[in-house]
Amino acid sequence: QKEVEQDPGPLSVPEGAIVSLNCTYSNSAFQYFMWYRQYSRKGPELLMYTYSSGNKEDGRFTAQVDKSSKYISLFIRDSQPSDSATYLCAMKGGGSNYKLTFGKGTLLTVNP
Amino acid sequence: DAGITQSPRHKVTETGTPVTLRCHQTENHRYMYWYRQDPGHGLRLIHYSYGVKDTDKGEVSDGYSVSRSKTEDFLLTLESATSSQTSVYFCAISESEGVGPNTEAFFGQGTRLTVV
Repeated sequence: QKEVEQDPGPLSVPEGAIVSLNCTYSNSAFQYFMWYRQYSRKGPELLMYTYSSGNKEDGRFTAQVDKSSKYISLFIRDSQPSDSATYLCAMKGGGSNYKLTFGKGTLLTVNP
Repeated sequence: DAGITQSPRHKVTETGTPVTLRCHQTENHRYMYWYRQDPGHGLRLIHYSYGVKDTDKGEVSDGYSVSRSKTEDFLLTLESATSSQTSVYFCAISESEGVGPNTEAFFGQGTRLTVV
């Protein structure tokens, strides 16, 4: 079982839709969770990060963490064509394991 | 954008030749990382550095070496390139390690390497 599982998609939605992107993980030591956005042929760009279970909101983006279920989500409201990108979840844990573990990414296309 | 410059941005090389990729940062961050990104595998850590002359291996370090002689520069060398090293290589930096503020990783724009 991979430490981090992420559905690669592709996911195609109409403009204005609510998008839900998800990752599951198996390592209960993970305690810091991030979402990166990567446009085609560009480097990953940090979108959101959170330490604890619950929701964190930033504009149209909401990151949700459920540590009991080992499940994280990124919601995008009122999606725009400019949101079309690959979204990568990443996480890291305590102790000596501070290296990021990434999901494989979900390719999202928002159609005008 | 974080001040990270990777060079070259694109390179085609022949099997068996040595190749060096450079990462230069202007943020004075202590930690620097080299990742490779391949379809079906996502981002995987090759090597990282936690200070000048302080480096350690990541999960896919075989066939790669690194050096960091200055805070701002982190070099990745493929000693004898193979076709399996065809990939997109990303450098990343972070101010601190662990979990919490200032431990987030910021990425460069990538180097697309093709080994023929």
